Amino acid sequence: GAVVSQHPSRVICKSGTSVKIECRSLDFQATTMFWYRQFPKQSLMLMATSNEGSKATYEQGVEKDKFLINHASLTLSTLTVTSAHPEDSSFYICSASKGQGVRNIQYFGAGTRLSVL
Amino acid sequence: DAKTTQPPSMDCAEGRAANLPCNHSTISGNEYVYWYRQIHSQGPQYIIHGLKNNETNEMASLIITEDRKSSTLILPHATLRDTAVYYCIVSATGANSKLTFGKGITLSVRP
Repeated sequence: GAVVSQHPSRVICKSGTSVKIECRSLDFQATTMFWYRQFPKQSLMLMATSNEGSKATYEQGVEKDKFLINHASLTLSTLTVTSAHPEDSSFYICSASKGQGVRNIQYFGAGTRLSVL
Repeated sequence: DAKTTQPPSMDCAEGRAANLPCNHSTISGNEYVYWYRQIHSQGPQYIIHGLKNNETNEMASLIITEDRKSSTLILPHATLRDTAVYYCIVSATGANSKLTFGKGITLSVRP
């Protein structure tokens, strides 16, 4: 397996503030990381694909200026929710790709529960 | 949209085998079948993946039909800790390949 660490696990913030979530691959290097969002009783929805050293690719309907992604190293990607509002409250989960070709597997972090008051 | 269909739920008795079905009739030749599970309020956990041959690891077995239009994940001896939502996903392999999660199947293991 592989270990992906996500921090913080839970955050509560006031409306209008920004929140940064970190995703780290602890025992491998990941050129590609992914960010997902999951609302209660729903499935995971991919928000963006993050590639080390380049701009993230956002899925349709995801505001790139609101959800800032930085993938500055092979072991760290960050998601910043800017000017958060109550509707941004959700479970945010990252994953990191490990392995080449047919052995490639996405490993997931434990998730960050964001509550915006 | 997810390219797989799974029953919404099933249950099994602790210690018995759990057989989780998945249909993926539109799977492409280069797409693999991946299985993940998500225990409540946690991130998904990788279980197994395969292309066309049956696969087995320490967690489970994956049986893929010859026409690749369906597959079954087998947990040989289910425990209470296997209670989770199980996602069957088809995807090309590779670092940039996206995973599209459907609704999954909720497996409840009863004592």
